[in-house]
Amino acid sequence: DAKTTQPTSMDCAEGRAANLPCNHSTISGNEYVYWYRQIHSQGPQYIIHGLKNNETNEMASLIITEDRKSSTLILPHATLRDTAVYYCIVRVLEDFGNEKLTFGTGTRLTIIP
Amino acid sequence: DTAVSQTPKYLVTQMGNDKSIKCEQNLGHDTMYWYKQDSKKFLKIMFSYNNKELIINETVPNRFSPKSPDKAHLNLHINSLELGDSAVYFCASSPAQRGSPYGYTFGSGTRLTVV
Repeated sequence: DAKTTQPTSMDCAEGRAANLPCNHSTISGNEYVYWYRQIHSQGPQYIIHGLKNNETNEMASLIITEDRKSSTLILPHATLRDTAVYYCIVRVLEDFGNEKLTFGTGTRLTIIP
Repeated sequence: DTAVSQTPKYLVTQMGNDKSIKCEQNLGHDTMYWYKQDSKKFLKIMFSYNNKELIINETVPNRFSPKSPDKAHLNLHINSLELGDSAVYFCASSPAQRGSPYGYTFGSGTRLTVV
């Protein structure tokens, strides 16, 4: 799986949009970009994923650059409950469990009241 | 209903003991995983099972033995516990069908402390 690079930490004011960048310059054509978050030692929580196109769901938006070498996770109106470690992961889909999510160090996002 | 449930949530035990952690998922997923998160917060995969068959074993010591009685359950048994086994263990599941980009669903973790 390709490696990802994320800032170690970021702050964002409550109510503002939080933009979390991720660099994956060695991503392959068949690798998806996934985002997860982990809130204070809870289990990681799936947020969103994408391949080429931008994606949006009820939690966040994912913007992937045209060359797919980087992406940005956007939390449109951050709340205090969004304080967590955010992981950007690139993942090849393989057969029947023979693939794994490989977590890096992530970005610790702190929402400031 | 909890999608992926682990028991116990906390486990404190002495070195040398044998202990088990249980995991159950009610999502109908075919694949289950065990991850370990150490004190530095790195999350690393240990095992994956697909339909009760071991798929991934990430060079985990033989003292760790996963058991999958059916595809909804994946238990982790640890023999001769060592201080370095202290960590949070997460169970996860996914549909993991070929080409299916679904995300994993994680349990809430079991905090194991070996004293």
